[in-house]
Amino acid sequence: AQSVTQPDIHITVSEGASLELRCNYSYGATPYLFWYVQSPGQGLQLLLKYFSGDTLVQGIKGFEAEFKRSQSSFNLRKPSVHWSDAAEYFCAVALVQAGTALIFGKGTTLSVSS
Amino acid sequence: SAVISQKPSRDICQRGTSLTIQCQVDSQVTMMFWYRQQPGQSLTLIATANQGSEATYESGFVIDKFPISRPNLTFSTLTVSNMSPEDSSIYLCGSRQGGITDTQYFGPGTRLTVL
Repeated sequence: AQSVTQPDIHITVSEGASLELRCNYSYGATPYLFWYVQSPGQGLQLLLKYFSGDTLVQGIKGFEAEFKRSQSSFNLRKPSVHWSDAAEYFCAVALVQAGTALIFGKGTTLSVSS
Repeated sequence: SAVISQKPSRDICQRGTSLTIQCQVDSQVTMMFWYRQQPGQSLTLIATANQGSEATYESGFVIDKFPISRPNLTFSTLTVSNMSPEDSSIYLCGSRQGGITDTQYFGPGTRLTVL
């Protein structure tokens, strides 16, 4: 079945430590890939997106993501986490043949400890 | 970028009633979307609303329950009809200027509680 999977429901990272949030997709073709962040009480904000080309994508707030076709993955990374990064992170895909609306994973909640 | 506002920001309603949520975009956009985010859950697409055509509903959502209007390129409404407590959710409006490679923006959401 077609799906977007975020295996980790909740992750806690120490401030200053590195972060990797996992995202896997299961579609016949390579979809367009996105990461959004939802901070408490705020709307969704786009961190980065991948359509084609360089598989390492740079985003806002120091985030990056790497597309790996062989693993059907699009993991989000940050070398040094700040307390303000605590939020809900959603991986999303869009398929041209499926109408182009974004389909979201279940999200990963990031907590940052001091 | 697009700035999206939603009204109301939150509401508490009685079962059996209906609520209309408004979504206003500060620029003309081709596509508008309505999502539902149930407590602790991800976003589920309800429907896609394009100006001048009927909304396209996803599996599990029907027009009688969630009628949508899209009268122009900057505005859309979603009505939650004959509400039950299971409809308690955050409803988010999204928009995209053009094709799939354009950024999709989201409104702040409408938090609905049905008693």
